[in-house]
Amino acid sequence: SAVISQKPSRDICQRGTSLTIQCQVDSQVTMMFWYRQQPGQSLTLIATANQGSEATYESGFVIDKFPISRPNLTFSTLTVSNMSPEDSSIYLCSVKGGTQYFGPGTRLTVL
Amino acid sequence: QQQVKQSPQSLIVQKGGISIINCAYENTAFDYFPWYQQFPGKGPALLIAIRPDVSEKKEGRFTISFNKSAKQFSLHIMDSQPGDSATYFCAASRGSSNTGKLIFGQGTTLQVKP
Repeated sequence: SAVISQKPSRDICQRGTSLTIQCQVDSQVTMMFWYRQQPGQSLTLIATANQGSEATYESGFVIDKFPISRPNLTFSTLTVSNMSPEDSSIYLCSVKGGTQYFGPGTRLTVL
Repeated sequence: QQQVKQSPQSLIVQKGGISIINCAYENTAFDYFPWYQQFPGKGPALLIAIRPDVSEKKEGRFTISFNKSAKQFSLHIMDSQPGDSATYFCAASRGSSNTGKLIFGQGTTLQVKP
């Protein structure tokens, strides 16, 4: 199984600012994803983080708002840009090996 | 067609009872159906998963029942324990495409009373 860590675990940010979330995996993985879980809601895929190329975004999510980097097979970052209170969510990194694993999440509150 | 509908939204069961959570899907291209368990402050963890070539899969106290013709699948937790209190999500994906894109149900909050 893959062990995934995320930083920060939680943050409180002001409207209009940006936050970068880091995801580190303890082994090389081909497929890495970012999900959003709004308060009391289900998980929604934001994008697939591709190593060495631009991320693939799902409908409703755009690169300008959620830029993603994937410099190698064990690390990725998600930036939430120009934040508003509607961005308050848990952001989860996920990787797929034989099965799909999730990190502990980053709980973001935007004031 | 991409939706996965999950019910009930919340469930209260007495210790030792059976917890049943149901999911329905529309996209017949889905061929991988996992269930995830999530405790507060934690990421979802895979509990059990099934592919449509079998109608039932059991792992310990957890069983998935799958009805391909009805496009429904369910999670049964036998002898439910207070430690099972968590949020459960069903999901579906097109495993053959190997994209790893999971479509999640809305979640069920389970409370097992001692």
